[in-house]
Amino acid sequence: DAGVIQSPRHEVTEMGQEVTLRCKLISGHNSLFWYRQTMMRGLELLIYFNNNVPIDDSGMPEDRFSAKMPNASFSTLKIQPSEPRDSAVYFCASTRGGNQPQHFGDGTRLSIL
Amino acid sequence: RKEVEQDPGPFNVPEGATVAFNCTYSNSASQSFFWYRQDCRKEPKLLMSVYSSGNEDGRFTAQLNRASQYISLLIRDSKLSDSATYLCVVNREYGNKLVFGAGTILRVKS
Repeated sequence: DAGVIQSPRHEVTEMGQEVTLRCKLISGHNSLFWYRQTMMRGLELLIYFNNNVPIDDSGMPEDRFSAKMPNASFSTLKIQPSEPRDSAVYFCASTRGGNQPQHFGDGTRLSIL
Repeated sequence: RKEVEQDPGPFNVPEGATVAFNCTYSNSASQSFFWYRQDCRKEPKLLMSVYSSGNEDGRFTAQLNRASQYISLLIRDSKLSDSATYLCVVNREYGNKLVFGAGTILRVKS
């Protein structure tokens, strides 16, 4: 079975550029989570969706960050404009809901120069 | 106080050793508990769920103490391949939102 699929795996871009990260959920899962991981702050939840609806975006750091879920299986996380402090690994995870564990994608390593 | 606290380690143990990690959580309403494993530069992967009665999966045993609000993971007969960061994970209340501990680093050496 295909797991959570994220793209790109790596992104290096200059500050000020728009960055779009993509995520495809596991088939049959209905909840999606975006996380950011850095050495200093560990794994932080940015936003999560249930059935395509954003439930909690309190972890989104600034208005420069936005996330959408246009359909049941796909989501994007955008950063515009990007800044060097946005450099991190961004993970997407999905679950069937309830108290089920989350399954993570491989992550996107983002470097903003 | 952090919602989920773990000893960051590192725990340096020889192959074959038994090692135990503990984790404490602050929200008494938490319903679900997990241990995840994260290898260097990789994504977190579910190691095992933690049930109230305690559960075992091969060399791994997880225990939950709701009264004291702590979770433990015991690894027997450590292998080199067990070297990783172990993340204690708790949900805040019924629902999907999980809180991850900062992780405990394990290094198994030959």
